[in-house]
Amino acid sequence: DIQLTQSPSSLSASVGDRVNITCQASQDVSDYLNWYQRRPGKAPMLLIYDVSKLETGVPSRFNGRGSGTDFTLTITSLQPEDIATYYCQQYGDLPYTFGQGTRLEIK
Amino acid sequence: QAQLQQRGAGLLKPSETLSLDCVVHGGSFNGRYYNWIRLTPGKGLEWIGEMSSGGSTNYNPSLKSRVTMSVDASRNQFSLRLKSVTAADAAVYFCARGPPAGIAVEWGQGTLVTVSS
Repeated sequence: DIQLTQSPSSLSASVGDRVNITCQASQDVSDYLNWYQRRPGKAPMLLIYDVSKLETGVPSRFNGRGSGTDFTLTITSLQPEDIATYYCQQYGDLPYTFGQGTRLEIK
Repeated sequence: QAQLQQRGAGLLKPSETLSLDCVVHGGSFNGRYYNWIRLTPGKGLEWIGEMSSGGSTNYNPSLKSRVTMSVDASRNQFSLRLKSVTAADAAVYFCARGPPAGIAVEWGQGTLVTVSS
């Protein structure tokens, strides 16, 4: 199975901050890499698919980049509603796998 | 976007079969990929499997021997069966769907499954 390692596991930032979350794959997943947001008590929500494509309705402050094995999710200006856990997911190979999650808190 | 509504029992005894359904309200049923995903405190999100509306399946090898997924287009519904559950299967189970394969665009509300004797 392809292992996805997210960093950091948790972070605390202030409103307006730029936040970066990284996801490293144990092998090349090409551009088959997605990002999800899960707010407390809610189902996950697709934010970005295929590395950098913003899902419809997702604010433009979210963006993704990377290729191969190294990927980054950036929130350009953190908002209070961004409190959530963020997960990367690869579908370059079966079984699909997720990163362990990054818990984001507001200072 | 369609709404996915989950239903099924949330409290099971060890060795019983977990049975969950996901009804799709709105949108097209055919030409989609239907997934089951679970969330546990220890392992995070775990992909259980995916089934196309045409019936082809991919299961996570770690669960393959115990999992059956099915779709019923006439009822706009897809289902998960996981047999011989143990405490390790306790989780929040989500249904979700694409297209395309591999991307979970729409999600159900989640079902908390507890396994206890």
